[in-house]
Amino acid sequence: AQSVTQLGSHVSVSEGALVLLRCNYSSSVPPYLFWYVQYPNQGLQLLLKYTSAATLVKGINGFEAEFKKSETSFHLTKPSAHMSDAAEYFCAVSTPDTGRRALTFGSGTRLQVQP
Amino acid sequence: EAGVAQSPRYKIIEKRQSVAFWCNPISGHATLYWYQQILGQGPKLLIQFQNNGVVDDSQLPKDRFSAERLKGVDSTLKIQPAKLEDSAVYLCASSLDGDRGRRNTEAFFGQGTRLTVV
Repeated sequence: AQSVTQLGSHVSVSEGALVLLRCNYSSSVPPYLFWYVQYPNQGLQLLLKYTSAATLVKGINGFEAEFKKSETSFHLTKPSAHMSDAAEYFCAVSTPDTGRRALTFGSGTRLQVQP
Repeated sequence: EAGVAQSPRYKIIEKRQSVAFWCNPISGHATLYWYQQILGQGPKLLIQFQNNGVVDDSQLPKDRFSAERLKGVDSTLKIQPAKLEDSAVYLCASSLDGDRGRRNTEAFFGQGTRLTVV
């Protein structure tokens, strides 16, 4: 079975400060990992994905994440927060090698950016 | 490229009534997913289709939920009868992968249908 845990349901940062959103996964086989962003009343948009290539993954809008197998983590970071980054962020896992391509999502982290 | 289309965007019904949601995936996408997102939670998979066949419906409450994907393109999700706890956003997503060689393509999500059961 696969699962994702997102630490912190709410994170608040000041504009220009570092953004760090935490994600830990559980999987018995090599996982594919994803970060999605959801703006109010919108669907989910892919920020970045890890699919067993480079462990440091760069995504859109200046976000990046690092896959750390020893820590079973895939934390999302951005060096400098912008007001437009305020949204809900979801970490997700899939295990295509088992035939399970469907995503299993974490419970989400709401990011607030203070002026 | 047109995205995943869903309708309606919003629906309010009374408990025990029935409701249907429609999804049109991105053209050429073999895999289609329906997710349920309850307020304050992450999306949860209800059903996955590959072309017009069901791959995974293990989390679909089959006593009240049903879904079909006619001709491997559009899909409908139905709830009959609805319960208060069915209030959620229903998200449709599609991905290109249709065979073992294309396993790492991303899922594209529609804007969702917000269902309120009163």
